[in-house]
Amino acid sequence: GQSLEQPSEVTAVEGAIVQINCTYQTSGFYGLSWYQQHDGGAPTFLSYNALDGLEETGRFSSFLSRSDSYGYLLLQELQMKDSASYFCAVRAGYFSGGYNKLIFGAGTRLAVHP
Amino acid sequence: KAGVTQTPRYLIKTRGQQVTLSCSPISGHRSVSWYQQTPGQGLQFLFEYFSETQRNKGNFPGRFSGRQFSNSRSEMNVSTLELGDSALYLCASSGSGSSYEQYFGPGTRLTVT
Repeated sequence: GQSLEQPSEVTAVEGAIVQINCTYQTSGFYGLSWYQQHDGGAPTFLSYNALDGLEETGRFSSFLSRSDSYGYLLLQELQMKDSASYFCAVRAGYFSGGYNKLIFGAGTRLAVHP
Repeated sequence: KAGVTQTPRYLIKTRGQQVTLSCSPISGHRSVSWYQQTPGQGLQFLFEYFSETQRNKGNFPGRFSGRQFSNSRSEMNVSTLELGDSALYLCASSGSGSSYEQYFGPGTRLTVT
């Protein structure tokens, strides 16, 4: 089967750094994505890792270790507006060229406090 | 460029009825995927269409079906609604079927009573 595990909730204060972990078990792994969803809103794409290592985009960074089937999203200089749900998603399957699918974790709810 | 649009935004149906939801992707995008989102369950993949062909399907019963038109607009249909079908249904479009970056619509909130 295919599964992703991420913490259900994380709490942090403004200005702090928080790391949201994601472990996965899939077949035919292609890459790990992260999405942000505010309450009542649509998920929006944050980052993607196909290869091992760290990808940085402003205050957000994402890391992948394919050998450990593990990744994380790192949020720095937290702001109140970062309070949202964060989903890791794995593109997995046996074929390339579109014959694979995006599988989402259950999401991590991040609460940022003053 | 206009984003992904979904209609209707809210829907209330009773058990046993059927429902059709519509999704218009970003102009030029040929891939449309559908997801069901329920509290604590994340996004469950329903199916993906690319150039009017279903290329992938999730683990949902046959009551859930979809199609895509030549203009890339997509519809999903749920027949014989059950209480457990109450959820937010999201569609997402991308330029190609393999894209890791999908653009989501606002969703259709379906309530089954």
